[in-house]
Amino acid sequence: AQTVTQSQPEMSVQEAETVTLSCTYDTSESDYYLFWYKQPPSRQMILVIRQEAYKQQNATENRFSVNFQKAAKSFSLKISDSQLGDAAMYFCAYRVYGGATNKLIFGTGTLLAVQP
Amino acid sequence: EAQVTQNPRYLITVTGKKLTVTCSQNMNHEYMSWYRQDPGLGLRQIYYSMNVEVTDKGDVPEGYKVSRKEKRNFPLILESPSPNQTSLYFCASSLKPSDYEQYFGPGTRLTVT
Repeated sequence: AQTVTQSQPEMSVQEAETVTLSCTYDTSESDYYLFWYKQPPSRQMILVIRQEAYKQQNATENRFSVNFQKAAKSFSLKISDSQLGDAAMYFCAYRVYGGATNKLIFGTGTLLAVQP
Repeated sequence: EAQVTQNPRYLITVTGKKLTVTCSQNMNHEYMSWYRQDPGLGLRQIYYSMNVEVTDKGDVPEGYKVSRKEKRNFPLILESPSPNQTSLYFCASSLKPSDYEQYFGPGTRLTVT
């Protein structure tokens, strides 16, 4: 069964600095999707970035980028030029799809604080 | 505006009193699912539906029921809520089951005393 592990329950970063959130996963599949979701205090789940496993190039969305290491099953999120609005819980997720199921398996989350 | 809505957003109830949390989407999505979020556990899938009248269990279905009589609605039913069902619940949908992107509702905070 697929699992997703986020080993950093909490992280802190100074405004304008860079922070990296870690995520590892376990799977026997060769083709899959990985995601980072942001959950601000409003509790809304917001998709930050996605990575298709068959793509070697790391995904980038403005200040957010990933370091996808397929062989190591690692998928870290880098936030550059951190802003106060980046403070949130961040979840790493792996998509399981096949047969009759389409679900996301989430890690336990990393709570990011941004210090002014 | 394309969205997934949930009602109620907050609910406090007592053990054993049946309740329904509604989920509705206006995007003509075929696939819908329910997740619960608990501290230290992330989000876990409860039930999902591939289309009208097609539902199946996710990873934590015990104590829950669902129905999918219309494409836009996917209610979550707790027939006899217990305190261990106190959680934050999310409904999500996607156009097709094969689509990678899922749209989440705003969440429902349920407290069972």
